[in-house]
Amino acid sequence: DAKTTQPTSMDCAEGRAANLPCNHSTISGNEYVYWYRQIHSQGPQYIIHGLKNNETNEMASLIITEDRKSSTLILPHATLRDTAVYYCIVLSDSWGKLQFGAGTQVVVTP
Amino acid sequence: ETGVTQTPRHLVMGMTNKKSLKCEQHLGHNAMYWYKQSAKKPLELMFVYSLEERVENNSVPSRFSPECPNSSHLFLHLHTLQPEDSALYLCASSHGFDRGTNEQFFGPGTRLTVL
Repeated sequence: DAKTTQPTSMDCAEGRAANLPCNHSTISGNEYVYWYRQIHSQGPQYIIHGLKNNETNEMASLIITEDRKSSTLILPHATLRDTAVYYCIVLSDSWGKLQFGAGTQVVVTP
Repeated sequence: ETGVTQTPRHLVMGMTNKKSLKCEQHLGHNAMYWYKQSAKKPLELMFVYSLEERVENNSVPSRFSPECPNSSHLFLHLHTLQPEDSALYLCASSHGFDRGTNEQFFGPGTRLTVL
């Protein structure tokens, strides 16, 4: 499976956009990039995923570089409730095995 | 609410007890998963079920015994656990295993403490 690299932590001001980077330089052509987040002591929450095109939904936008070696999750208007650990995961396994890393701890401040 | 419920939310048990964790999904999904999250460690996949058939056992000790009687219910039977098994146990479900549509929906978890 492709490995991912994320910053350990990030701070973001409430109301501003939060841009979360992820490197996945060994990603293969059929592997998808998934993003989840986990608010303290809760189950992880699916955010968005993509293969090579940029994606947007009601929660976030996902920008994948043309060479697919990195991606950025964008929370357009961060709120205090967006404080969580964000996980970037490359999914390749045929049985849907999500390999969670340490993620990025995002703290949104007033 | 994600459509995945877990009971109990908290459980304290001794090393000689037998207990079970229950997961139920109301999403019409065909795949269900058990994950373990120990303190300050990443989530680890334990078991995967597809249409009630176990398709993955991620080297989990036999003191953890999963059961999937139907596509909506998943159990994790626990016996003779060790204190290091104390963790948050999470259940998840998904439509299937296609890489492009594998959004997994997680329950709130069961916080297990083994004394």
